[in-house]
Parts: sequence; structure tokens; C-alpha cells
Amino acid sequence: AQRVTQPEKLLSVFKGAPVELKCNYSYSGSPELFWYVQYSRQRLQLLLRHISRESIKGFTADLNKGETSFHLKKPFAQEEDSAMYYCAPLFGNTPLVFGKGTRLSVIA
Amino acid sequence: DADVTQTPRNRITKTGKRIMLECSQTKGHDRMYWYRQDPGLGLRLIYYSFDVKDINKGEISDGYSVSRQAQAKFSLSLESAIPNQTALYFCATSEVGGQFSGELFFGEGSRLTVL
Repeated sequence: AQRVTQPEKLLSVFKGAPVELKCNYSYSGSPELFWYVQYSRQRLQLLLRHISRESIKGFTADLNKGETSFHLKKPFAQEEDSAMYYCAPLFGNTPLVFGKGTRLSVIA
Repeated sequence: DADVTQTPRNRITKTGKRIMLECSQTKGHDRMYWYRQDPGLGLRLIYYSFDVKDINKGEISDGYSVSRQAQAKFSLSLESAIPNQTALYFCATSEVGGQFSGELFFGEGSRLTVL
């Protein structure tokens, strides 16, 4: 079965501390992977996709096929990073499947 | 700016009433989706449409129906609303194929409360 798991509902870190939001998936093939973010009072939006190997707002995410993980990382958290984050794999030609989300709270 | 617009943004209704949520887009995308967001459950797919003649059920389609009136319009209906359909509903669009197929563009959401 195709599944995505975000084990943490809530993650609280202090400003300046490193952040890692976990995402694991189960799929026999090679999915494309995405992270979406929802800031307070804003629309859900794409943060980054693994195929681009990009860093957006200081966030990076590495696909680990052996561990079937796509964790989102940032070395130094900022208050404006506080938001809801969703991991979303794309399994073949089907709609995105979203994880249950992790709420990141960055404490000043 | 090209956009995804949902109406109404907020709606309170009673059990048993018929409700329609509308979505229109000016992005020119073929693919449209309806998701439901509940605290602790994330986003779950209700229905999706890859083009005007294509309608597919998602993970939680029971109690819902959709209509794709045109490339730009995708409506979600609750024929007889019940309280556990109280949620935030999102419409989204995407382009077809390639690396863009995973990039969804979301509306601002429609908050529905069923009493």
C-alpha cells in the first residue's frame, strides 16, 4: 500500500535551533516527493520538491531511498518558519497524497 | 493574477441541507481537485478531475458529488449535509505531466460548519 507518515503532530523548537521534520513513505517504486507549507492565514503552497534539489527559505530535503524517507531540514529556525508542514509523495500518475502534517512552532 | 477562487469562504448550514462549494480557476490548468482538511488528519482527497470529461473518486468520496462544468470550474456538492462533514475544504489545480504534476495551486479554502 502507498502510504506517507509524518510521525510528529507538533514540533516546538527555539529560534536559531536546527529543525528536522520527518517524513516516511511506503511505495514499491520511486515516488516524486514534495513538501507543502501552510502559514497562518495563507494558502497551502509548495515549499520544495526533491527533484529540484533546491533550498527554499533555508530548507532542504534529501530523499533517502534506503530508509524511504524525505525529511525536511533547516539549520537555524526562524520565527517566521512557524507553520503547518505537509509531506506529499506523488505515486505514479495519481493525485498527491498528503501526510497528516506537522505543526512547527518556533519559540523566540 | 491567475488564481484559484473558492465560494463561499464560510458557510454554516443544518443537517440534511444540500450544499454546493464552487471553485473556479484562471490558471488554464486541466487538473482540478477537492481536498478536505481536518485537524490531525491532514488533507484527504475527495474527488479529482484530470480533464472536463474525467471524474474520479478520491479517498473519502462517500456523501459527496462533483461536477466539472468547464475546464475552469469544479463544484463539490453535499447532497444531505451531516455534522461530520464540518471541515475546511480546499480546491486545487495542477498542470498535466512532467515535474509539474506534483505542484498544486490551492484556493483559500471554504470553511463549512454543519449543525
